[in-house]
Amino acid sequence: GIQVEQSPPDLILQEGANSTLRCNFSDSVNNLQWFHQNPWGQLINLFYIPSGTKQNGRLSATTVATERYSLLYISSSQTTDSGVYFCAAASTSGTYKYIFGTGTRLKVLA
Amino acid sequence: NAGVTQTPKFQVLKTGQSMTLQCAQDMNHNSMYWYRQDPGMGLRLIYYSASEGTTDKGEVPNGYNVSRLNKREFSLRLESAAPSQTSVYFCASRAGGGAGELFFGEGSRLTVL
Repeated sequence: GIQVEQSPPDLILQEGANSTLRCNFSDSVNNLQWFHQNPWGQLINLFYIPSGTKQNGRLSATTVATERYSLLYISSSQTTDSGVYFCAAASTSGTYKYIFGTGTRLKVLA
Repeated sequence: NAGVTQTPKFQVLKTGQSMTLQCAQDMNHNSMYWYRQDPGMGLRLIYYSASEGTTDKGEVPNGYNVSRLNKREFSLRLESAAPSQTSVYFCASRAGGGAGELFFGEGSRLTVL
């Protein structure tokens, strides 16, 4: 099945800094999604992005499907951005099996 | 709309007891999923149902059974709970057809003593 890897595993930033989180996947995908898990454990949908680029406020994401990776950019980080960021992907051969990466734990310091 | 609703939110079991986690969605989605998340870890897929009447194993199906009761509901059963099944369980749904976003419930925290 598809393997999903994320880097870095941990990240500490000062408020106002920018960051890039990476998600690599082992197979061709037709589904890719980024989530933020807040400190209360809720999973918040950030982007559904099997290919291309999307932006939502200070966050943007790019998926280069042919090279099997996706990037999440956080600009001007705020303390409320703290939490764990997950990507999840489903391959073209296993469309319904949505597999998660191990996450990037982000802490933004005031 | 409530979205994806899980019950119960918290449960404590003794080893060997059985229980069922319930999940219901009101978005008319075809596909539904059960994941578990252990402390400090990512989510692992237990079972999924691509459409009403079908279920398939995910990454970690041992020790669990599922039932897709109808289009709205997907339950997860632990027949004989073990301490290794202590985890937070998340249900999710997706419109289906091979594409679309996952939407998650708020999770059910299960402790097995």
